[in-house]
Amino acid sequence: GQNIDQPTEMTATEGAIVQINCTYQTSGFNGLFWYQQHAGEAPTFLSYNVLDGLEEKGRFSSFLSRSKGYSYLLLKELQMKDSASYLCAYMDSNYQLIWGAGTKLIIKP
Amino acid sequence: DVKVTQSSRYLVKRTGEKVFLECVQDMDHENMFWYRQDPGLGLRLIYFSYDVKMKEKGDIPEGYSVSREKKERFSLILESASTNQTSMYLCASSTGDRHTGELFFGEGSRLTVL
Repeated sequence: GQNIDQPTEMTATEGAIVQINCTYQTSGFNGLFWYQQHAGEAPTFLSYNVLDGLEEKGRFSSFLSRSKGYSYLLLKELQMKDSASYLCAYMDSNYQLIWGAGTKLIIKP
Repeated sequence: DVKVTQSSRYLVKRTGEKVFLECVQDMDHENMFWYRQDPGLGLRLIYFSYDVKMKEKGDIPEGYSVSREKKERFSLILESASTNQTSMYLCASSTGDRHTGELFFGEGSRLTVL
């Protein structure tokens, strides 16, 4: 299979914070992407990291460590509408996206 | 608003039938992609195109072909459908910089092959 890994499912409480991890192994790297996909809907782009560090965008932040092959998506002040699958993907040396299987996030009241 | 439209949300076909999945985007994007999405697996790239009349094989092109006669339309063809092609098919497009990973997806076509 592809050498990118993320948890299958996570559960969190409304109003809390959750961190979704993604690890990858590749010799050629051109960025790390996060997408959100609600059930039965199209994936939508959330974030892009190509340099190490944290990128913040409202309630969502994404972190990258290239040396560790590691990224996470941080969701703050969770809302019920954040229940969705979160897809991690890295761009390889051929500029193609390699996708993780997705993390299904369940938000409980 | 950016829009990628897939012709059919749900299809049921029989083994051996020819299947056409159509995708149209209204953003004047150069790049278009066909993926399939299966439970427990990441999106897998079937074919992509960076220009009209141009096509490139992705990771799993076997059993599929594509057509891009116009910039806005990218069709996926299953010449002879088989049960292992039962899946969700997602079309996507992106701007001219082929290095961009920001894709715009259609809502998907769920194909069942009996």
